[in-house]
Amino acid sequence: DVVLTQTPPTLSATIGQSVSISCRSSQSLLHSNGNTYLHWLLQRPGQSPQLLIYLVSRLESGVPNRFSGSGSGTDFTLKISGVEAEDLGVYYCVQGTHAYTFGAGTKLELK
Amino acid sequence: QVQLKESGPGLVQPSETLSLTCTVSGFSLTSYSVSWVRQPSGKGPEWMGRMWYDGDTAYNSALKSRLSISRDTSKNQVFLKMNSLQTDDTGTYYCTRGWELDYWGQGVMVTVSS
Repeated sequence: DVVLTQTPPTLSATIGQSVSISCRSSQSLLHSNGNTYLHWLLQRPGQSPQLLIYLVSRLESGVPNRFSGSGSGTDFTLKISGVEAEDLGVYYCVQGTHAYTFGAGTKLELK
Repeated sequence: QVQLKESGPGLVQPSETLSLTCTVSGFSLTSYSVSWVRQPSGKGPEWMGRMWYDGDTAYNSALKSRLSISRDTSKNQVFLKMNSLQTDDTGTYYCTRGWELDYWGQGVMVTVSS
């Protein structure tokens, strides 16, 4: 099974600070059809997960453009350019190239 | 608008079978897949399986022997059945749409306890 390793597990940030979360896969997420099924979700406290970024770098409709995704193969990054209070919660990377697996999560909290 | 809503019993006895329903609106089950994802309290999500738009199914290999996913397109519903429940099956169960998991239900909390 594919293992996704997210770092750091916890991230403390001030409002306005830019932060990055890493997601590394135990095997390449490039599908034979040319797509890379690596997505990013945010789960706010007490809420269901919500999609932020799909296919590595595509911004889901309605998601602020301070969120961006990058990467290829086995290494991926989510960047938040200017954290806002509503961004607090747990971020998960999830891959859908080889069935689905989720990373363990990165908790973003206020410093 | 697109909505998914999970329903089912909140409490299940150990060794019993869990039955959950995901009722969807705003899209067709013949155009989108629906996955089941569960999440133990305080832990990360786990993909359980999916119903493809063409009626085919796919399962997490770790759960495959206990799990069955089916649907009724006339009622816009996807069903999950999992047998031989144990206490570590306790958690919140979600249904979610599509290959990119773009819409999620509110989740249903399931406790396995006698």
